[in-house]
Amino acid sequence: DTGVSQDPRHKITKRGQNVTFRCDPISEHNRLYWYRQTLGQGPEFLTYFQNEAQLEKSRLLSDRFSAERPKGSFSTLEIQRTEQGDSAMYLCASSLAVKETQYFGPGTRLLVL
Amino acid sequence: AQSVAQPEDQVNVAEGNPLTVKCTYSVSGNPYLFWYVQYPNRGLQFLLKYITGDNLVKGSYGFEAEFNKSQTSFHLKKPSALVSDSALYFCAVRDLYNTDKLIFGTGTRLQVFP
Repeated sequence: DTGVSQDPRHKITKRGQNVTFRCDPISEHNRLYWYRQTLGQGPEFLTYFQNEAQLEKSRLLSDRFSAERPKGSFSTLEIQRTEQGDSAMYLCASSLAVKETQYFGPGTRLLVL
Repeated sequence: AQSVAQPEDQVNVAEGNPLTVKCTYSVSGNPYLFWYVQYPNRGLQFLLKYITGDNLVKGSYGFEAEFNKSQTSFHLKKPSALVSDSALYFCAVRDLYNTDKLIFGTGTRLQVFP
């Protein structure tokens, strides 16, 4: 059990650029979640997948955000035309099934200049 | 709507003393409650959870939490604090009626002084 991994750990970009983050869940975990955490706040839900199906998107997830989970394995979160307000820690979590514990990755810290 | 509240932004305690980090919840139906810890520039680490059963839940690193239905509370406790326990602690409730997502409190920073 290697845990949830995320790449990159840090990303600095200029406003208007596109960025993509990757999350590798714990193997055999069929649920994968994305959260966003801003300074001084708790994580907020963005979206989640059951296998390859994206089942829910938060209103926080504007049209500039897109997430995929091809083949039900790793997931990517892309932000197009980044804005300074997108600066945050992006956290990925996975769980074996509904109601099971969510285990978090180390996060990707995004800074938009 | 499901929610949790952490009334203290920071808790200070001397090493060796008992610690309590407070959490209250508001849910429809049975609560599924969690505690996570976050060290600087790291993700969240799972400490413990309450789903059903005994009101005193034991977790990792010597932490435990007491579920109190009448007071709608789920306070995190440890009998003897360590300096290494200094971190940010989050209480969360599982939203079983809507996406199964976790809803987090705003966090409590625990500072343990030598």
